[in-house]
Amino acid sequence: DTAVSQTPKYLVTQMGNDKSIKCEQNLGHDTMYWYKQDSKKFLKIMFSYNNKELIINETVPNRFSPKSPDKAHLNLHINSLELGDSAVYFCASTRAVTGGSYNEQFFGPGTRLTVL
Amino acid sequence: KQEVTQIPAALSVPEGENLVLNCSFTDSAIYNLQWFRQDPGKGLTSLLLIQSSQREQTSGRLNASLDKSSGRSTLYIAASQPGDSATYLCAVSGAGSYQLTFGKGTKLSVIP
Repeated sequence: DTAVSQTPKYLVTQMGNDKSIKCEQNLGHDTMYWYKQDSKKFLKIMFSYNNKELIINETVPNRFSPKSPDKAHLNLHINSLELGDSAVYFCASTRAVTGGSYNEQFFGPGTRLTVL
Repeated sequence: KQEVTQIPAALSVPEGENLVLNCSFTDSAIYNLQWFRQDPGKGLTSLLLIQSSQREQTSGRLNASLDKSSGRSTLYIAASQPGDSATYLCAVSGAGSYQLTFGKGTKLSVIP
């Protein structure tokens, strides 16, 4: 069983389109994340959700909107795609942060987005 | 703002050698440090997690150490194998926040 899964694995689309990436975890974790890995392979946090509430929103364009229908799913919707959005997007999850205890993050396989 | 640096950026060693990968971070107020492996075109595989109160963690041929006060961690790989070839990423979680801050990674090549 895949712990953290993402769909699609590859996404090729035209500039200006709207697209979504889905993420699901079956680990029973409470906190989920979206990270972006750019062309230089640098990974950077985009969003974090804890029990369906947004707890971090790093300085990403508001064209990116995360949505969490339940604590096992965190989807990423992107409006008006731009060339610079081309990257690999990773979903991750961890158990809830409680009393300063913070646990291991598990990552999905990534979604490679190419904007033409 | 936390910054994570990994040195070297790339490393090539013959099979069987022991090696050390280095990671440093600027803000010592961390919850934990995690080492990952990333194979080309793949996701991240967690290798070791060290809580801020710990000094080291071991898993098989891997040993990770943490010196929080000096902002350093090392990943020691014993008896390297060609299958160890990958990019190794170090990441820290900061106090008061939940996300990981990553280094740019060390690309390891183990030559048969």
